[in-house]
Amino acid sequence: DVKVTQSSRYLVKRTGEKVFLECVQDMDHENMFWYRQDPGLGLRLIYFSYDVKMKEKGDIPEGYSVSREKKERFSLILESASTNQTSMYLCASSLRDAGQETQYFGPGTRLLVL
Amino acid sequence: DQQVKQNSPSLSVQEGRISILNCDYTNSMFDYFLWYKKYPAEGPTFLISISSIKDKNEDGRFTVFLNKSAKHLSLHIVPSQPGDSAVYFCAANENSGYALNFGKGTSLLVTP
Repeated sequence: DVKVTQSSRYLVKRTGEKVFLECVQDMDHENMFWYRQDPGLGLRLIYFSYDVKMKEKGDIPEGYSVSREKKERFSLILESASTNQTSMYLCASSLRDAGQETQYFGPGTRLLVL
Repeated sequence: DQQVKQNSPSLSVQEGRISILNCDYTNSMFDYFLWYKKYPAEGPTFLISISSIKDKNEDGRFTVFLNKSAKHLSLHIVPSQPGDSAVYFCAANENSGYALNFGKGTSLLVTP
């Protein structure tokens, strides 16, 4: 079974703090993704990475950055947290197979920015 | 612009009956479609998928139907169980892309 883990289930941070969210997958997947989920908006892609040190912007990258120094680890960084970044953050990974892409998700991190 | 649309935010079904969740898409380049199930405070769990070369895929109580001409897919759950109560997300991917496009989700409530 694919296992995707996220460093924290719940986080409370103050406005202006730098926040690190860590994600690790154990299935040697090339692709990793960061989403946020908000009520009524579904899952929105923040950033993704298809290889070590590679990153691509998703639909809502503003206010975020990412780091992928090792294949199994993908970090999401909130440079200066703001209250509108209060959300559920979901990490996913996938092994691209014959053009079909099944993403496997971690349990999520619920972030509250005060 | 939303390329994958789930027009019903919620659905309520009695236990034992059929649940039908619908999804429409606008991008004709999408060739792989997935359904995910999500419980509150958990990550989405992959449920079932279908390739564009098929029009039906079945896995136990779950069946996904794809109508390419209508750009429409649906998830059938038969029989529905209270444990099926969750938010269901439809997603789509095109062969040249890495990222999935998700709908906004449909919240299913299965009542005893």
